[in-house]
Amino acid sequence: DIVMTQSPDSLAVSLGERATINCKSSQTLLYNSNNKNYLAWYQQKPGQPPKVLIYWASTRESGVPDRFSGSGSGTDFTLTINSLQAEDVAIYYCQQFYSKYVTFGQGTKVDIK
Amino acid sequence: QVQLVQSGAEVKQPGSSVKVSCKAPGGTLSNYGFNWVRQAPGQGLEWMGGIIPISGTIDYAQKFQGRVTITADELTSTAYMELSSLGYEDTAIYYCARVSYAYYKPRYYSHYIDVWGKGTSVTVSS
Repeated sequence: DIVMTQSPDSLAVSLGERATINCKSSQTLLYNSNNKNYLAWYQQKPGQPPKVLIYWASTRESGVPDRFSGSGSGTDFTLTINSLQAEDVAIYYCQQFYSKYVTFGQGTKVDIK
Repeated sequence: QVQLVQSGAEVKQPGSSVKVSCKAPGGTLSNYGFNWVRQAPGQGLEWMGGIIPISGTIDYAQKFQGRVTITADELTSTAYMELSSLGYEDTAIYYCARVSYAYYKPRYYSHYIDVWGKGTSVTVSS
């Protein structure tokens, strides 16, 4: 299986500041035939199912605020939350769908400092 | 807003089986696949398997091979996940989730999850 490792496990950021979450995969997620990275980011708030934020590593889902952005390629990816808002307190997961055996990162908890 | 309606909470005895359903809007199974993801209390997300009904493609996480069965009924637009030989460690919320898919020769693969059900709580208790 492709192992997804997120860092850090948790972070606390002041309101209005930037939060950066990293995700590293044990194998490349870049499919050369279409130059797409098979990686998505999800946000999960307490008591709710996850919600997709970013797919293809950098494509923002419709309706997701533009303070959320995804970057990276191959095996190293980043989710950036610019100007953190109170409603962004959540756990964030990366997921690879390159393999038929889908795997998630362990999650990163984001809090307000 | 597309909704996936999951069956209600279950309490099961160790060693028994549970079957969770996930009803989608009509026609969904012709155009999408479904993944099942579970989340134990206070833990992260764990992919169990997925189905692409139009092709009959079914994949299971190796951890659950032999214990999980995922099916889909296009007539009722409902996906199912059955987990057998339940242990206390299977206590979790079970989510169904919609995925798009594409054909990468020689088979179909699912993509990212764009819609999640609200989850079904399964508690294993004696």
